[in-house]
Parts: sequence; structure tokens; C-alpha cells
Amino acid sequence: AQKITQTQPGMFVQEKEAVTLDCTYDTSDQSYGLFWYKQPSSGEMIFLIYQGSYDEQNATEGRYSLNFQKARKSANLVISASQLGDSAMYFCAMREPTGNQFYFGTGTSLTVIP
Amino acid sequence: AAGVIQSPRHLIKEKRETATLKCYPIPRHDTVYWYQQGPGQDPQFLISFYEKMQSDKGSIPDRFSAQQFSDYHSELNMSSLELGDSALYFCASSFFERAHGELFFGEGSRLTVL
Repeated sequence: AQKITQTQPGMFVQEKEAVTLDCTYDTSDQSYGLFWYKQPSSGEMIFLIYQGSYDEQNATEGRYSLNFQKARKSANLVISASQLGDSAMYFCAMREPTGNQFYFGTGTSLTVIP
Repeated sequence: AAGVIQSPRHLIKEKRETATLKCYPIPRHDTVYWYQQGPGQDPQFLISFYEKMQSDKGSIPDRFSAQQFSDYHSELNMSSLELGDSALYFCASSFFERAHGELFFGEGSRLTVL
């Protein structure tokens, strides 16, 4: 079974508007970590934000926030006030305590329109 | 701050040749991961090391091998290269016991097999 599901292969957003990138996950562990990474066209993988499974508050990092709904097993990334530089691939990922592996989703390509 | 260093950044090889990629993790990080990302795909986990011992194995072909050395740097050896091995190879490191446990990625080594 897919551990991380990102159902939006591509998204468009107008500059200065907010956008939500969806992510659902599958785990039977009680303790896990959820992450979002940004991959611009240059290829590097940039860490954006983290949410622990026991964190009661949604994580925020500047313009990035994570809408964590544990019961629904979703960890959507919200980017506020989109900028042209936000155009990139975005990967949702999960780390479980068992094993030593990160699971990535298939990614969402975000294009910010001027 | 020091980041994950990968070399070479770009590599061109012929079919059936061998290639070696190197990774120098962030100092004091005890875990190294290797990922393969084909064009337009999400990163696929190959193998990981914790404290210089192999800790997990993913979809690494038998033609590939990897190890982590006493100074914690890691090398991914690829033999009998095939066209399908053309990809971006990421090394990532983390501190296993750290609460967040996010992976810090290098800039990747882009392998092209002709």
C-alpha cells in the first residue's frame, strides 16, 4: 500500500494568493513524523516544514503551514501569499520510528502565475 | 552551516561502465540515505546506513552496492550501468535520535548513461 498519497499532480495559483497541497498518509504507528520538501527545477531538495504525530498544534514556518488532521491521516501544506519563486515540485514525506526510511509521495508540481 | 556534500555533481558514463558517487554527511549526523530520482518521478529509496552499518534496503539493484566508511562518508558504487540508471542520485543525512529527524539532502549527483 502507498504510504504517502499526493493526489494533485499539478496545481496553479495566482501570485499573492494562498494554495493548499494535499497529502494523506498510511501508517499503523502511533509515533511518526510528517515533512514537506520543495524541489525547484535546479533539483535540490529543500526541507520546508515538519509535523510530529503528537504535536497538538499545526506547524508553521513563515508562509508555510501544515494542516494536520490526524484522524483523517492528512497533512496538507498551505502556502500563503504565493510568490513566483514558489513554483516547484512539492513532496510530502513520512518517517516512521520502525525502520530507517523516509517515504515520499509522488509530488505536486506547483506553478505560480503572475 | 555545513551541508551534505555530494560528488560529482554531474557524471556521464557509457552503458556497462561503472560509476562511484560520494557523499559527505553533515558532521555528527549518524545516518546516511541514498535515493534515486528518475525524470519526473519521486525519490526512490535505495539504501541507508546507521553508524556505518547498513540499516535498511530499498529498491537497490544487485549491480549497485554502497558502504559507509569510518569517517561517515558514504559511497554508492554502480556497475554494468544501464540506460535506465540515468537519474538524479541524492544522498541525505540525519541525526537519528533527533526529535524532528528531517533528512538534509545534498544537491544530488546527476548521472547520465549513454
